[in-house]
Amino acid sequence: DQQVKQNSPSLSVQEGRISILNCDYTNSMFDYFLWYKKYPAEGPTFLISISSIKDKNEDGRFTVFLNKSAKHLSLHIVPSQPGDSAVYFCAANLYNQGGKLIFGQGTELSVKP
Amino acid sequence: GAVVSQHPSRVICKSGTSVKIECRSLDFQATTMFWYRQFPKQSLMLMATSNEGSKATYEQGVEKDKFLINHASLTLSTLTVTSAHPEDSSFYICSASHPGGEQYFGPGTRLTVT
Repeated sequence: DQQVKQNSPSLSVQEGRISILNCDYTNSMFDYFLWYKKYPAEGPTFLISISSIKDKNEDGRFTVFLNKSAKHLSLHIVPSQPGDSAVYFCAANLYNQGGKLIFGQGTELSVKP
Repeated sequence: GAVVSQHPSRVICKSGTSVKIECRSLDFQATTMFWYRQFPKQSLMLMATSNEGSKATYEQGVEKDKFLINHASLTLSTLTVTSAHPEDSSFYICSASHPGGEQYFGPGTRLTVT
């Protein structure tokens, strides 16, 4: 049972344009959502997060939107840069589970110059 | 940001042998660490939660006798893959919970069992 889903395995975007990565979840008890960036053979690096009580969080070029009624979140990167090319994972934290994270399958973003 | 290290970064072992992977939080104390496993082009799957001074909590389907976890100090957790088989070949990643609430990941360990 995949509680966190990233249905697009890959996304290709032109440099300077917006990248939109999507994530859906099924468990309404998730209280915190995070986005991680990962390069091959490396551990994930934290990018940005959002609490379930908010609908938007912005940090520089990265903005995360949360739609609780649709159980959907998205990560917007604008403008996209070639260095953003990596695999992006969304993750959800279950309330009162000691920080345990449930990850989506990842979306490989390719930003072309 | 905080630093989490893993050692070794890459290991090749023969089938039937045991391999130990270390996870260290270098500049903070972590009462909780997590062990994940990632197959190529797949998600990170949580294997177990490691709590300092107590037994690890394993996710459903993860054999605790095969994947031994020890969290002997606030900066070190170890994962030992016992009697390794080729199907245990994978990328193993640990993370450590920072006192501020964030979770920091190690760089991962590539295990290949021949």
